[in-house]
Amino acid sequence: ELKVEQNPLFLSMQEGKNYTIYCNYSTTSDRLYWYRQDPGKSLESLFVLLSNGAVKQEGRLMASLDTKARLSTLHITAAVHDLSATYFCAVTNYGGATNKLIFGTGTLLAVQP
Amino acid sequence: ETGVTQTPRHLVMGMTNKKSLKCEQHLGHNAMYWYKQSAKKPLELMFVYNFKEQTENNSVPSRFSPECPNSSHLFLHLHTLQPEDSALYLCASTGTSGRTRNNEQFFGPGTRLTVL
Repeated sequence: ELKVEQNPLFLSMQEGKNYTIYCNYSTTSDRLYWYRQDPGKSLESLFVLLSNGAVKQEGRLMASLDTKARLSTLHITAAVHDLSATYFCAVTNYGGATNKLIFGTGTLLAVQP
Repeated sequence: ETGVTQTPRHLVMGMTNKKSLKCEQHLGHNAMYWYKQSAKKPLELMFVYNFKEQTENNSVPSRFSPECPNSSHLFLHLHTLQPEDSALYLCASTGTSGRTRNNEQFFGPGTRLTVL
């Protein structure tokens, strides 16, 4: 059974600081997703990582994937308050149209001024 | 992104009520999903439909009954729910062409359900 673990579960950081969220998964998977969720809102897709060594960046967020280590990281650079949200990683091991996403527990990020 | 819509956004119901949640996607996708998001738990996949056919039922109690009349619409019929069923119910869709070649799932805004 595919399991996905994120750490930390809660992260309080100051504006301007850097930090990394980690996502580990238990069995081989061919793609990994990062989502953002604001309080009371739905999930917004941030990144799709499709291969070993994939790195994607958008603004102050950068995601990477190491399929051999079964690890993805979401790095936050010079955090700003607008990044406060819950971040989820999700993994699938099925390449068809009805892929099944297994989500991590999420990391609640609070950026303090 | 308003490609996936859900109604109602909030629902309060008693344990003996019958209600339905609706999801509609305007993205031309062929697969649709229901997820349950409870406090302090990971998102749980409930049902998957591909081209109107159910391909996954993740051991969901029979008090939840999905319906997919076409690739654009998905319903979740609710009856005799329990208080522990209170949660955010999210609908998502994906396809295999264009932007969704990566099987990226797009989520609706969710229905916040409270069972009294």
